[in-house]
Amino acid sequence: QSALTQPPSASGSPGQSVTISCTGTSSDVGGYNYVSWYQQHPGKAPKLMIYEVSKRPSGVPDRFSGSKSGNTASLTVSGLQAEDEADYYCSSYAGSTRVFGGGTKLTVL
Amino acid sequence: QVQLQQWGAGLLKPSETLSLTCAVYGGSFSGYYWSWIRQPPGKGLEWIGEINHSGSTNYNPSLKSRVTISVDTSKNQFSLKLSSVTAADTAVYYCARESIVVVSFTPRPNWFDPWGQGTLVTVSS
Repeated sequence: QSALTQPPSASGSPGQSVTISCTGTSSDVGGYNYVSWYQQHPGKAPKLMIYEVSKRPSGVPDRFSGSKSGNTASLTVSGLQAEDEADYYCSSYAGSTRVFGGGTKLTVL
Repeated sequence: QVQLQQWGAGLLKPSETLSLTCAVYGGSFSGYYWSWIRQPPGKGLEWIGEINHSGSTNYNPSLKSRVTISVDTSKNQFSLKLSSVTAADTAVYYCARESIVVVSFTPRPNWFDPWGQGTLVTVSS
C-alpha cells in the first residue's frame, strides 16, 4: 500500500485559481469514485472539503471543487483567499484499506 | 451534531503499548465505520485502521501485527492499542467517523468526518 502522490507545494495570488493533483493507481483512485480531500491548518485536525470525488459537504464554499480522470484526482480552489492557506490531503478507498496522499502546502501569495 | 472526544497516555517508553479511546457524542454509532489516523510531527496522514459497531475491523497492512481496535457499543466508544512502540510511532493520533456507501450489499467506508481533536503521543526513553 503506497501513499498517493501529491505535489509538496502549490501557490497562487488572491483571486486566482489553484489545482492540486493526487495520483494513485487502479487499485485506489482509479478503481473507485471514493476520493476525498481534507484541509488542515497548523495545529488543527483535518477538515473534510470534498468527498466522493466532487461532492461538497454543507458549509464548504463552492470555490472548492473536485474531479478525477483515470488514476489522478484533483482539487481546485478558485478565487483564492488568505484563509485557504493550509495543507491539503487527498484520500482514497482501496478495498480493505484506505490511503492518504503526502499532502500539499498551499500558499496564498 | 456529532462530536468525537479522545483521550489516552501522551508519553510512552519504547516497547510499551499505546492506548487511546474515542467517545462519540450526539449521533448514531451504528451505520458507520470508526477509524484511527496518525500524523508524525511535520509529516502527512497515515490510516491505522477501522472498526464498525459489530466489531468488524480492517487494518493498515504495515501496522497490522501491532494494532488492535475494539469497540464498546454500550458507551459509544472505540479504542486503539498499538504494541511495542518505538520513536517512529511518535505522532498526533486522531479518531474519525467514516461514512459508508453501500454498493451491491458491500459497505464501502470512504470519507472521514468529523475528526477528534487529536492526541500527541511521544515515545521516548
